[in-house]
Amino acid sequence: KAGVTQTPRYLIKTRGQQVTLSCSPISGHRSVSWYQQTPGQGLQFLFEYFSETQRNKGNFPGRFSGRQFSNSRSEMNVSTLELGDSALYLCASSLGDSSTAFFGQGTRLTVV
Amino acid sequence: DAKTTQPTSMDCAEGRAANLPCNHSTISGNEYVYWYRQIHSQGPQYIIHGLKNNETNEMASLIITEDRKSSTLILPHATLRDTAVYYCIVVHGSGNTGKLIFGQGTTLQVKP
Repeated sequence: KAGVTQTPRYLIKTRGQQVTLSCSPISGHRSVSWYQQTPGQGLQFLFEYFSETQRNKGNFPGRFSGRQFSNSRSEMNVSTLELGDSALYLCASSLGDSSTAFFGQGTRLTVV
Repeated sequence: DAKTTQPTSMDCAEGRAANLPCNHSTISGNEYVYWYRQIHSQGPQYIIHGLKNNETNEMASLIITEDRKSSTLILPHATLRDTAVYYCIVVHGSGNTGKLIFGQGTTLQVKP
């Protein structure tokens, strides 16, 4: 079974731009969660989508948004990028019913 | 969800057992203990989880005390590739593995 796939793996953007990251969950998984990891703040939960609906949300500004498609694939968007948005963005998927969550390899975003 | 406390760092000699402790004194009856590890900016890797009984899989063993206030992850024969940050996470039984709250974890350094 293929694991969680995140694209792209690396990305460089300029301040003020927007970016879209993609996550393909493990086949059959309906829950997709997004996390941000920075050296200063560690691993922080952004939001979770289940069956195309946002089920949980972390404490991030509205510039961070996401969506989930009917095939469970998810995208995360960050608008008006700031230097502090430079981070490793991780996606995790699970069946959604308290089963184990598995992570992708992440997308490394650098904002210059 | 209950908070967890882990030592910041630990060393282990290659080939020896690595015992990583985690304190979760406020854990409630239906909360699970999950362990993940992260090897140098890769996505976190699921290791093992348990509720009250000890658990073992091909990667590790999880020992949970009878009062469930602490647990120990055991890597029976540590190798250099086990050098990583290990996270102990408590998850509510009704199931939010879609929202994992990561602490700072324990940095395990396996030395030759």
